[in-house]
Amino acid sequence: AQSVSQHNHHVILSEAASLELGCNYSYGGTVNLFWYVQYPGQHLQLLLKYFSGDPLVKGIKGFEAEFIKSKFSFNLRKPSVQWSDTAEYFCAVNLNSGNTPLVFGKGTRLSVIA
Amino acid sequence: DAGITQSPRYKITETGRQVTLMCHQTWSHSYMFWYRQDLGHGLRLIYYSAAADITDKGEVPDGYVVSRSKTENFPLTLESATRSQTSVYFCASTSDFDTGELFFGEGSRLTVL
Repeated sequence: AQSVSQHNHHVILSEAASLELGCNYSYGGTVNLFWYVQYPGQHLQLLLKYFSGDPLVKGIKGFEAEFIKSKFSFNLRKPSVQWSDTAEYFCAVNLNSGNTPLVFGKGTRLSVIA
Repeated sequence: DAGITQSPRYKITETGRQVTLMCHQTWSHSYMFWYRQDLGHGLRLIYYSAAADITDKGEVPDGYVVSRSKTENFPLTLESATRSQTSVYFCASTSDFDTGELFFGEGSRLTVL
């Protein structure tokens, strides 16, 4: 069965540290990839998405992600985190042209401390 | 205001009771979804709908019923609530099933005693 794996359950960083959150998927075929963020007490919102073209995609708030097809990965990065980045981050995947709904990873909670 | 709204935002019920969570969107998006969010499980898809009168099961549909008589509404009913259905439920919608952004509601926190 298709699955999405997020390696880290909880990450704690100091402000200005660099961030990388891992995401791997197990789909065979062309995929669409997403990162969503959920700030405390809020609903999910889209950070960035990839479905074709340049495998390095830039999203809102300084986030970026790189699609590495050979590794089935779509890791999220930010060079310098801020306290306001404290949130839960979800990777999500579906099959391109498969009419398959998004499957989400279990999420990674990021805590940024001053 | 345009958007996607869920009601109620908070609900406490007892085992065996029927509960309906409402979801309304004003964008005329074709596709609507119900997810549940649980610690350690992330978001899991319960049901989704491609249009009025078209619904399909997701990963965890047992114990839930949905309907979509109008494009803008997608209610989720728990016919006989169980404690394992204590969760936060999110409704979402999109105009593009494959590559479109999912727009989420604020969530409905359900506690089954």
